[in-house]
Amino acid sequence: DAEITQSPRHKITETGRQVTLACHQTWNHNNMFWYRQDLGHGLRLIHYSYGVQDTNKGEVSDGYSVSRSNTEDLPLTLESAASSQTSVYFCASSPGPYTEAFFGQGTRLTVV
Amino acid sequence: SQQGEEDPQALSIQEGENATMNCSYKTSINNLQWYRQNSGRGLVHLILIRSNEREKHSGRLRVTLDTSKKSSSLLITASRAADTASYFCATDRMDGNKLTFGTGTQLKVEL
Repeated sequence: DAEITQSPRHKITETGRQVTLACHQTWNHNNMFWYRQDLGHGLRLIHYSYGVQDTNKGEVSDGYSVSRSNTEDLPLTLESAASSQTSVYFCASSPGPYTEAFFGQGTRLTVV
Repeated sequence: SQQGEEDPQALSIQEGENATMNCSYKTSINNLQWYRQNSGRGLVHLILIRSNEREKHSGRLRVTLDTSKKSSSLLITASRAADTASYFCATDRMDGNKLTFGTGTQLKVEL
């Protein structure tokens, strides 16, 4: 069955380190998204991509970057991890405009 | 900034009762979607209603959309303990191909 997977599921890192969270989908969806979820804020969009070589900033993109070299993967990089980036991160994909999104299981990141 | 705001933030009901959650948003939309999130899990899509639709049903779910008031409601009928979860509305704006989520309603269904 097609799916979307995130790895790792849990990670603890130190302030200042570079961290990369992986997202892989097997639906061949063009659209991929990264959100972070924090208490009281719901889900906030970090970055998104509409296809290979396309990346766009969301509402909370500072300190994060993404790259899209193929259809299946959209890795999220924290350039220099900060305690404010402790959160649960969700990757999602959708087949096209104005359609439902499919979410991964999430990565819980703790920055100490 | 959040596009959608759910109300109430938390709701506790007995099994068999109906649960109603509301969502308000700020800008013009192409569609509005509802998602469910069980504790510690990813979000699961429940239903999508387009801006030219007023009501939609899916099993025990009924969604309404009032674009003049920029609001939507999700009704879960005959609730079950397994419906215990957080529910989020998400708007897909006319000027973008990406979802903006509200802060969610935590629903607890007690036996």
